[in-house]
Amino acid sequence: QLQLQESGPGLVKPSETLSLTCTVSGGSISSSSYYWGWIRQPPGKGLEWIGSIYYSGSTYYNPSLKSRVTISVDTSKNQFSLKLSSVTAADTAVYYCARPVAGWFDPWGQGTLVTVSS
Amino acid sequence: DIQMTQSPSSLSASVGDRVTITCQASQDISNYLNWYQQKPGKAPKLLIYDASNLETGVPSRFSGSGSGTDFTFTISSLQPEDIATYYCQQYDNLPMYTFGQGTKLEIK
Repeated sequence: QLQLQESGPGLVKPSETLSLTCTVSGGSISSSSYYWGWIRQPPGKGLEWIGSIYYSGSTYYNPSLKSRVTISVDTSKNQFSLKLSSVTAADTAVYYCARPVAGWFDPWGQGTLVTVSS
Repeated sequence: DIQMTQSPSSLSASVGDRVTITCQASQDISNYLNWYQQKPGKAPKLLIYDASNLETGVPSRFSGSGSGTDFTFTISSLQPEDIATYYCQQYDNLPMYTFGQGTKLEIK
């Protein structure tokens, strides 16, 4: 059974770069022609797709975040990562990694709260 | 960009009630519309894909319908465990995705 798990710092200072990693278990990140994605949810608010990466490395980003987002994949570690630069308090959110499958997301990681604060 | 307008934003209903949530797309998205359930502190769970297909293991009291720009999500008989926030999500312009604003469902 495929499982995803986010990891990374829970506190980031304003203007710095948020970095998170998603570890995939129960399957190989490169064994199938899948995308892998990041979604975030500010406290008490809705869901926002951040971006996706194909196992080969092609990336697609939400236009509203594109200038600050980098998603990468490390097939040797079965992981993919998110970097969001120049963060502000508005970037405080629960960050989820998930696998887009034919248009929907399944499975999801449990999510990790990242707070932007000095 | 495709915008998704979900309504209502919150809803209070009694156990056994029929509950309906709507989602409207800013342009025709065919049937490229999914519905998720999110309980507090948990990741969203896929319930309905392609507008009307029930995900494996999801109770049959959940259903979805619609195509084009107007979509409906229905719980035929509300159960206490259905208390959650529900989101629609479109994927007409893959690999980009948009979610609705969510509907918080509470028990009356």
